[in-house]
Amino acid sequence: DAKTTQPPSMDCAEGRAANLPCNHSTISGNEYVYWYRQIHSQGPQYIIHGLKNNETNEMASLIITEDRKSSTLILPHATLRDTAVYYCIVRNYNTDKLIFGTGTRLQVFP
Amino acid sequence: GAVVSQHPSWVICKSGTSVKIECRSLDFQATTMFWYRQFPKQSLMLMATSNEGSKATYEQGVEKDKFLINHASLTLSTLTVTSAHPEDSSFYICSAIRDRGPGNTIYFGEGSWLTVV
Repeated sequence: DAKTTQPPSMDCAEGRAANLPCNHSTISGNEYVYWYRQIHSQGPQYIIHGLKNNETNEMASLIITEDRKSSTLILPHATLRDTAVYYCIVRNYNTDKLIFGTGTRLQVFP
Repeated sequence: GAVVSQHPSWVICKSGTSVKIECRSLDFQATTMFWYRQFPKQSLMLMATSNEGSKATYEQGVEKDKFLINHASLTLSTLTVTSAHPEDSSFYICSAIRDRGPGNTIYFGEGSWLTVV
């Protein structure tokens, strides 16, 4: 399974954009990058996923580098409710497994 | 709203007893579901892959006789913790795939807290 590397923690001011980086240098050509977040004591919440093109939905934007070795999740206007642990995961093409790493703990402050 | 539901949300049981946790896909058929456990301040650890109509596939180090998984229908998978011990106390989470295929979304349940006393 392709591994991902994320910074353990980040801070962001409320209303500002939160940019969460992720390295996945061993990703295969047909593997997707998924982002989930987990708020304390809840199940992970799906945010976005992509293969090679940049993606945007109502929650966030996903920017994937051309070589696909890294990506950035962008929360355009962070709110206090966005405080959570964010997980960047490479989905295994054959098994569909999602193997979670340690994630980034994002703290949004007033 | 939630598309994957777990029941119960929390349960307390005595040591030595068995407890069952259900995972349901609410508005879609899920041929594959996954079970995770999470200890406080740690990440999710994949326990097993549950396939409808066949035996579950367990990750290395997970005792299949202790964590019984049954995926009897396309909308329901169950995890039974047998002969529970205090060290089995954890947050158990399931996920389900709406459709097979690498670009499709995997949804997670709300999780179930198990406390063994």
